[in-house]
Amino acid sequence: EAGVAQSPRYKIIEKRQSVAFWCNPISGHATLYWYQQILGQGPKLLIQFQNNGVVDDSQLPKDRFSAERLKGVDSTLKIQPAKLEDSAVYLCASSAPIRGAEAFFGQGTRLTVV
Amino acid sequence: TQLLEQSPQFLSIQEGENLTVYCNSSSVFSSLQWYRQEPGEGPVLLVTVVTGGEVKKLKRLTFQFGDARKDSSLHITAAQPGDTGLYLCAVNSNSGYALNFGKGTSLLVTP
Repeated sequence: EAGVAQSPRYKIIEKRQSVAFWCNPISGHATLYWYQQILGQGPKLLIQFQNNGVVDDSQLPKDRFSAERLKGVDSTLKIQPAKLEDSAVYLCASSAPIRGAEAFFGQGTRLTVV
Repeated sequence: TQLLEQSPQFLSIQEGENLTVYCNSSSVFSSLQWYRQEPGEGPVLLVTVVTGGEVKKLKRLTFQFGDARKDSSLHITAAQPGDTGLYLCAVNSNSGYALNFGKGTSLLVTP
C-alpha cells in the first residue's frame, strides 16, 4: 500500500515570497491533517480536513496560510507571504475518519525562509 | 486544545540502560497514542492505549495508561541505539477528533 506522498522534500525561499506544498494521502482516508513542526518540537496542528471540508483550522494563521482539499483527495498548503519564523517541517498525515485511528505521515517538506 | 506535557524534554543514555518518559495532562482522554519519529521522517505509531490502567508491551517497550486516563508512560528496557528518536504522545481533541501532539521527548542512545 502506498503511503502519504508529499512534495517537495525541501524548499528554500526568501521572506515575503510565497510557497506551496502538496500532499497525496493514503487512498480511502477521509481525514487529512497538515502539521507544522519546529526543529526539536512536536507537530502543531494547522488544519484538519474531513473529505473536502474543514473540521479544525483554529491554529492556522489565516492572514498568511491557506489550505484546500479539492475533491476530497489531494491537498495543498500555501504560505503567502512567508516570514522567517515559518521555517519548519510541514507534515501531512491521513487517517480513517474514526476517533483514535492511526495517523499515517508523509516524510514532510522542510522549509527554510531566509 | 488539550495541553499535553511530556518529560523529560531530552534524554541521553548509554546502550543497555533503562528509561521512562512521561505524558501528562489535566484532561481525561478516551485514548492516547505514542509515536516515534526518526530524523527526516514522519512520526510512526507505536501503540494506542484506551483503558485506564492498561499496560501494553511492544518488545522492550512498555506503555501504561493512567487509571484516570489523564497520563501515560513509556518505559524502555535495555535501550539500543536504534531506539534513538523523538517520542511523541498524542490525543484526539474532546470536541472532535483532531489529533494533537505533545512537544515530545528526544532520546539519544549511544553505543
